[in-house]
Amino acid sequence: EVQLMQSGGGEVRPGGSLRLSCEASGFKFDDYGMNWVRQGPGKGLEWVASISWNGAKTDYADSVRGRFTISRDNARNSLFLQMDALRVEDTAFYYCAKDSDFDSWGPGTLVTVSS
Amino acid sequence: QPVLTQSPSASAALGASVKITCTLSSGHSSYSTFVIAWHQQQPEKGPRYLMKLNSDGSHVKGDGIPDRFSGSSSGSERYLTISDLQSEDEAVYYCQTWGTGFRVFGGGTKLTV
Repeated sequence: EVQLMQSGGGEVRPGGSLRLSCEASGFKFDDYGMNWVRQGPGKGLEWVASISWNGAKTDYADSVRGRFTISRDNARNSLFLQMDALRVEDTAFYYCAKDSDFDSWGPGTLVTVSS
Repeated sequence: QPVLTQSPSASAALGASVKITCTLSSGHSSYSTFVIAWHQQQPEKGPRYLMKLNSDGSHVKGDGIPDRFSGSSSGSERYLTISDLQSEDEAVYYCQTWGTGFRVFGGGTKLTV
Protein backbone atom coordinates (compact mmCIF):
# COMPACT_ATOMS: atom_id res chain seq x y z
CA GLU A 1 0.00 0.00 0.00
CA VAL A 2 1.34 3.39 -1.01
CA GLN A 3 1.80 5.72 1.95
CA LEU A 4 3.05 9.29 2.03
CA MET A 5 3.75 10.63 5.51
CA GLN A 6 4.24 14.34 5.87
CA SER A 7 6.00 16.38 8.51
CA GLY A 8 7.08 19.96 8.99
CA GLY A 9 4.80 22.92 8.66
CA GLY A 10 3.66 25.28 11.35
CA GLU A 11 3.51 29.03 11.86
CA VAL A 12 6.17 31.43 10.68
CA ARG A 13 6.58 35.19 10.26
CA PRO A 14 6.63 36.77 6.79
CA GLY A 15 10.12 36.51 5.37
CA GLY A 16 10.83 33.36 7.35
CA SER A 17 11.67 29.84 6.24
CA LEU A 18 10.18 26.39 6.68
CA ARG A 19 11.02 22.90 5.44
CA LEU A 20 8.43 20.26 4.63
CA SER A 21 9.16 16.55 4.40
CA CYS A 22 7.30 13.65 2.84
CA GLU A 23 8.40 10.09 3.53
CA ALA A 24 7.20 7.46 1.06
CA SER A 25 6.59 3.75 1.45
CA GLY A 26 4.83 0.96 -0.40
CA PHE A 27 6.36 1.67 -3.81
CA LYS A 28 9.76 2.02 -5.45
CA PHE A 29 10.31 5.68 -4.67
CA ASP A 30 13.14 6.26 -7.13
CA ASP A 31 10.97 5.14 -10.05
CA TYR A 32 8.64 8.12 -9.78
CA GLY A 33 8.55 11.85 -10.03
CA MET A 34 7.04 13.63 -7.06
CA ASN A 35 5.14 16.85 -6.48
CA TRP A 36 4.01 19.44 -3.98
CA VAL A 37 0.52 20.92 -4.18
CA ARG A 38 -1.07 23.52 -1.92
CA GLN A 39 -4.54 24.74 -1.06
CA GLY A 40 -5.09 28.16 0.44
CA PRO A 41 -8.06 28.88 2.74
CA GLY A 42 -11.27 28.41 0.77
CA LYS A 43 -9.39 27.98 -2.49
CA GLY A 44 -8.77 25.26 -5.05
CA LEU A 45 -5.72 23.09 -5.57
CA GLU A 46 -2.56 24.79 -6.81
CA TRP A 47 0.48 22.95 -8.12
CA VAL A 48 3.66 24.18 -6.43
CA ALA A 49 6.63 22.13 -7.65
CA SER A 50 7.69 18.86 -9.24
CA ILE A 51 10.89 16.82 -9.29
CA SER A 52 11.95 13.99 -11.58
CA TRP A 53 12.75 10.49 -10.33
CA ASN A 54 16.45 11.23 -9.97
CA GLY A 55 16.19 14.86 -8.93
CA ALA A 56 17.82 16.08 -12.12
CA LYS A 57 14.80 18.08 -13.27
CA THR A 58 12.72 20.41 -11.16
CA ASP A 59 9.81 22.66 -12.11
CA TYR A 60 8.05 25.37 -10.19
CA ALA A 61 4.90 27.43 -10.32
CA ASP A 62 5.57 31.08 -11.09
CA SER A 63 4.21 32.03 -7.64
CA VAL A 64 7.04 30.22 -5.81
CA ARG A 65 9.94 30.11 -8.28
CA GLY A 66 13.10 31.54 -6.71
CA ARG A 67 11.76 31.19 -3.16
CA PHE A 68 10.94 27.46 -2.85
CA THR A 69 13.24 24.52 -3.56
CA ILE A 70 12.07 20.96 -4.11
CA SER A 71 14.51 18.13 -3.50
CA ARG A 72 14.58 14.43 -2.75
CA ASP A 73 16.74 11.81 -1.06
CA ASN A 74 16.09 8.47 -2.73
CA ALA A 75 18.17 6.60 -0.15
CA ARG A 76 15.72 7.78 2.50
CA ASN A 77 12.58 7.59 0.29
CA SER A 78 11.98 11.22 1.12
CA LEU A 79 10.80 14.37 -0.63
CA PHE A 80 11.40 17.87 0.66
CA LEU A 81 10.20 21.42 0.09
CA GLN A 82 12.40 24.21 1.38
CA MET A 83 10.33 27.37 1.60
CA ASP A 84 12.18 30.68 1.99
CA ALA A 85 11.07 34.30 1.93
CA LEU A 86 7.60 33.19 2.93
CA ARG A 87 4.68 35.51 2.32
CA VAL A 88 1.24 35.74 3.90
CA GLU A 89 -0.24 34.42 0.66
CA ASP A 90 1.77 31.19 1.05
CA THR A 91 -0.54 30.23 3.91
CA ALA A 92 -2.07 26.91 2.87
CA PHE A 93 -2.31 23.20 3.38
CA TYR A 94 0.61 21.59 1.56
CA TYR A 95 0.32 18.11 0.09
CA CYS A 96 2.92 15.83 -1.44
CA ALA A 97 1.70 13.70 -4.33
CA LYS A 98 3.15 10.88 -6.42
CA ASP A 99 3.73 10.84 -10.19
CA SER A 100 2.50 13.17 -12.91
CA ASP A 101 -1.14 12.33 -12.32
CA PHE A 102 -0.91 12.68 -8.52
CA ASP A 103 -2.11 9.12 -8.03
CA SER A 104 -1.40 9.12 -4.32
CA TRP A 105 -1.63 12.01 -1.89
CA GLY A 106 -0.13 12.74 1.49
CA PRO A 107 -2.43 13.83 4.33
CA GLY A 108 -1.34 17.45 4.12
CA THR A 109 0.36 19.80 6.53
CA LEU A 110 -0.66 23.35 7.41
CA VAL A 111 1.70 26.26 6.83
CA THR A 112 0.63 29.57 8.33
CA VAL A 113 2.53 32.75 7.50
CA SER A 114 1.45 35.54 9.79
CA SER A 115 2.90 38.48 11.63
CA GLN B 1 0.10 25.13 -21.21
CA PRO B 2 -3.60 24.32 -21.27
CA VAL B 3 -6.25 25.90 -19.11
CA LEU B 4 -8.77 23.51 -17.56
CA THR B 5 -12.27 24.93 -17.15
CA GLN B 6 -14.89 23.43 -14.86
CA SER B 7 -18.35 24.60 -13.88
CA PRO B 8 -18.18 25.78 -10.25
CA SER B 9 -21.12 23.70 -9.10
CA ALA B 10 -23.40 20.79 -9.90
CA SER B 11 -26.22 19.07 -8.08
CA ALA B 12 -28.18 15.86 -8.36
CA ALA B 13 -30.42 13.72 -6.20
CA LEU B 14 -29.51 10.64 -4.21
CA GLY B 15 -29.48 7.61 -6.51
CA ALA B 16 -29.31 9.73 -9.66
CA SER B 17 -26.37 10.23 -12.03
CA VAL B 18 -24.29 13.32 -12.71
CA LYS B 19 -21.76 14.17 -15.41
CA ILE B 20 -19.03 16.69 -14.56
CA THR B 21 -17.16 18.36 -17.40
CA CYS B 22 -13.57 19.55 -17.72
CA THR B 23 -12.75 21.54 -20.84
CA LEU B 24 -9.17 21.92 -22.04
CA SER B 25 -8.54 25.34 -23.49
CA SER B 26 -9.37 25.65 -27.15
CA GLY B 27 -7.32 27.12 -29.95
CA HIS B 28 -4.63 24.47 -29.92
CA SER B 29 -5.51 21.15 -31.53
CA SER B 30 -2.96 19.18 -29.51
CA TYR B 31 -4.89 19.85 -26.31
CA SER B 32 -7.52 17.37 -27.46
CA THR B 33 -4.94 14.60 -26.97
CA PHE B 34 -4.11 15.48 -23.37
CA VAL B 35 -4.49 12.86 -20.67
CA ILE B 36 -6.06 14.14 -17.47
CA ALA B 37 -6.70 12.88 -13.97
CA TRP B 38 -9.77 13.34 -11.77
CA HIS B 39 -9.49 13.92 -8.03
CA GLN B 40 -12.13 14.08 -5.32
CA GLN B 41 -11.96 16.23 -2.20
CA GLN B 42 -14.61 15.57 0.40
CA PRO B 43 -15.33 18.28 2.99
CA GLU B 44 -12.50 18.80 5.46
CA LYS B 45 -10.40 16.08 3.83
CA GLY B 46 -7.40 15.91 1.55
CA PRO B 47 -7.65 15.11 -2.16
CA ARG B 48 -8.18 11.55 -3.37
CA TYR B 49 -7.17 10.24 -6.77
CA LEU B 50 -10.05 8.85 -8.80
CA MET B 51 -8.71 8.00 -12.24
CA LYS B 52 -6.51 8.75 -15.20
CA LEU B 53 -8.56 9.51 -18.31
CA ASN B 54 -7.20 9.29 -21.86
CA SER B 55 -8.35 11.27 -24.87
CA ASP B 56 -10.06 8.18 -26.30
CA GLY B 57 -12.15 7.80 -23.15
CA SER B 58 -10.27 4.83 -21.76
CA HIS B 59 -9.52 5.24 -18.08
CA VAL B 60 -7.75 3.54 -15.22
CA LYS B 61 -9.20 4.04 -11.77
CA GLY B 62 -7.33 4.24 -8.52
CA ASP B 63 -7.43 1.52 -5.90
CA GLY B 64 -10.81 1.13 -4.25
CA ILE B 65 -12.68 3.55 -6.49
CA PRO B 66 -16.23 2.21 -6.92
CA ASP B 67 -17.60 1.13 -10.29
CA ARG B 68 -20.08 4.01 -9.99
CA PHE B 69 -17.29 6.35 -11.10
CA SER B 70 -16.42 6.40 -14.79
CA GLY B 71 -14.76 8.67 -17.30
CA SER B 72 -15.23 9.57 -20.94
CA SER B 73 -13.84 12.02 -23.48
CA SER B 74 -14.95 13.98 -26.51
CA GLY B 75 -12.52 16.30 -28.28
CA SER B 76 -11.19 18.75 -25.73
CA GLU B 77 -13.74 17.76 -23.12
CA ARG B 78 -13.20 15.24 -20.38
CA TYR B 79 -16.06 13.92 -18.28
CA LEU B 80 -16.50 12.31 -14.92
CA THR B 81 -19.78 10.45 -14.49
CA ILE B 82 -20.98 9.30 -11.09
CA SER B 83 -23.98 7.00 -11.07
CA ASP B 84 -26.21 5.94 -8.19
CA LEU B 85 -25.14 9.00 -6.21
CA GLN B 86 -24.46 8.51 -2.53
CA SER B 87 -24.27 11.13 0.20
CA GLU B 88 -20.52 10.58 0.47
CA ASP B 89 -20.10 11.67 -3.15
CA GLU B 90 -20.79 15.24 -2.06
CA ALA B 91 -17.37 16.77 -2.67
CA VAL B 92 -15.33 19.03 -4.90
CA TYR B 93 -14.05 17.34 -8.04
CA TYR B 94 -10.88 18.57 -9.73
CA CYS B 95 -9.48 17.72 -13.14
CA GLN B 96 -5.73 17.97 -13.63
CA THR B 97 -3.27 17.57 -16.46
CA TRP B 98 0.45 17.74 -16.97
CA GLY B 99 3.20 18.25 -19.48
CA THR B 100 6.84 19.24 -19.73
CA GLY B 101 7.44 21.78 -17.03
CA PHE B 102 3.90 22.12 -15.77
CA ARG B 103 1.06 20.59 -13.84
CA VAL B 104 -2.31 22.34 -13.82
CA PHE B 105 -5.65 21.95 -12.07
CA GLY B 106 -9.11 23.00 -13.04
CA GLY B 107 -10.95 25.26 -10.64
CA GLY B 108 -13.03 22.42 -9.22
CA THR B 109 -16.71 21.52 -9.37
CA LYS B 110 -18.59 21.39 -6.08
CA LEU B 111 -21.12 18.58 -6.24
CA THR B 112 -24.15 18.75 -4.00
CA VAL B 113 -26.12 15.55 -3.50
